[in-house]
Amino acid sequence: GESVGLHLPTLSVQEGDNSIINCAYSNSASDYFIWYKQESGKGPQFIIDIRSNMDKRQGQRVTVLLNKTVKHLSLQIAATQPGDSAVYFCAERGKGYSTLTFGKGTMLLVSP
Amino acid sequence: GAGVSQSPRYKVAKRGQDVALRCDPISGHVSLFWYQQALGQGPEFLTYFQNEAQLDKSGLPSDRFFAERPEGSVSTLKIQRTQQEDSAVYLCASSPGGQSYNEQFFGPGTRLTVL
Repeated sequence: GESVGLHLPTLSVQEGDNSIINCAYSNSASDYFIWYKQESGKGPQFIIDIRSNMDKRQGQRVTVLLNKTVKHLSLQIAATQPGDSAVYFCAERGKGYSTLTFGKGTMLLVSP
Repeated sequence: GAGVSQSPRYKVAKRGQDVALRCDPISGHVSLFWYQQALGQGPEFLTYFQNEAQLDKSGLPSDRFFAERPEGSVSTLKIQRTQQEDSAVYLCASSPGGQSYNEQFFGPGTRLTVL
């Protein structure tokens, strides 16, 4: 399959650990922030989004935190599993119709 | 159900050749997007369709790139006179409605290599 992980920041964790993936964004006018997961050879898969007027949003085993003061976004994955191994991208978009702007990815490697 | 499919999965072209990349979105999805993903990078937006209308083509890198979706379902991205810098994975994504831009359903991509 495709390798999209070359020269990417990498986070290595053990199965069962909690993982935190960080993202710095640049556009303070962005209205939504979104996390996508991309496994080797596949297209990105939506994980969770958060609107700019929120600080925290929880999903199934995932939590996204937004700190607008320092323009920082994080994705927390609880009880990380080997199937979580992938490249994770943060993305942002503006109000109404606007395109997704993806950031640089982070590769998450989960060891059994 | 079936997801977004793309064909071919791999395409090798000689510099100067024209190529056509196909996307079959999820049935009934109104919105369709094309992205270009260079190795080790995030996807970069190319163009957006709402049904058959191409509403945004601001990301197309040059006039060698052309996309169409004539009947509001299948879409084709055409690259004329391919150059080595066109080598990348081309991703197609669809979403259900005209306002659902956050959650896009991506296909597996077509890897284009220009020799």
